[in-house]
Amino acid sequence: EAGVTQFPSHSVIEKGQTVTLRCDPISGHDNLYWYRRVMGKEIKFLLHFVKESKQDESGMPNNRFLAERTGGTYSTLKVQPAELEDSGVYFCASSQSPRGTHYTFGSGTRLTVV
Amino acid sequence: GDSVTQMEGPVTLSEEAFLTINCTYTATGYPSLFWYVQYPGEGLQLLLKATKADDKGSNKGFEATYRKETTSFHLEKGSVQVSDSAVYFCALGKKDKLSFGAGTTVTVRA
Repeated sequence: EAGVTQFPSHSVIEKGQTVTLRCDPISGHDNLYWYRRVMGKEIKFLLHFVKESKQDESGMPNNRFLAERTGGTYSTLKVQPAELEDSGVYFCASSQSPRGTHYTFGSGTRLTVV
Repeated sequence: GDSVTQMEGPVTLSEEAFLTINCTYTATGYPSLFWYVQYPGEGLQLLLKATKADDKGSNKGFEATYRKETTSFHLEKGSVQVSDSAVYFCALGKKDKLSFGAGTTVTVRA
């Protein structure tokens, strides 16, 4: 089965610009998660979708971040406008069961804001 | 809130050396505990897990035991290989959410 696909793998943008990250989960996985690792620190939870609904978005840092999952398939995470502190690696994961034992992670998108 | 503290790196070892990465956690209730690994250029992969106290997770020669009395989940491998070079993350899972440690970079030299 195909894994979780994220693109782009790398993105370099200027402060104030907009960037959209995309995640394609494993087919049939209702649960989709976004996490990010900033500045080599711990990986932090951003939000959790169940199908197209946001189950938990308590980790979203501020209103410059907008996540969508239209139709319950792929998801996008838009950062607008990007700030320097948004630089990091953004990971997406999906699972059939909403339990941490069955996550499959993507390779991540490395975002650099200059 | 829930948190994970793991040994800071980087760690550099010679092949066949013994590896230990310490991990302790703070959480209410009964979380599950995990070790994830990120090899260069790849995504996070589940290395092993334990879902209750005294459980031992093992995979690829790595082991970790869920110790509730010391709130620890230390990762060990008796004889590392160059291919074990990676970043290792300890994590706890509760209520559909993972909380990670900061990661430990391990480099194994031939």
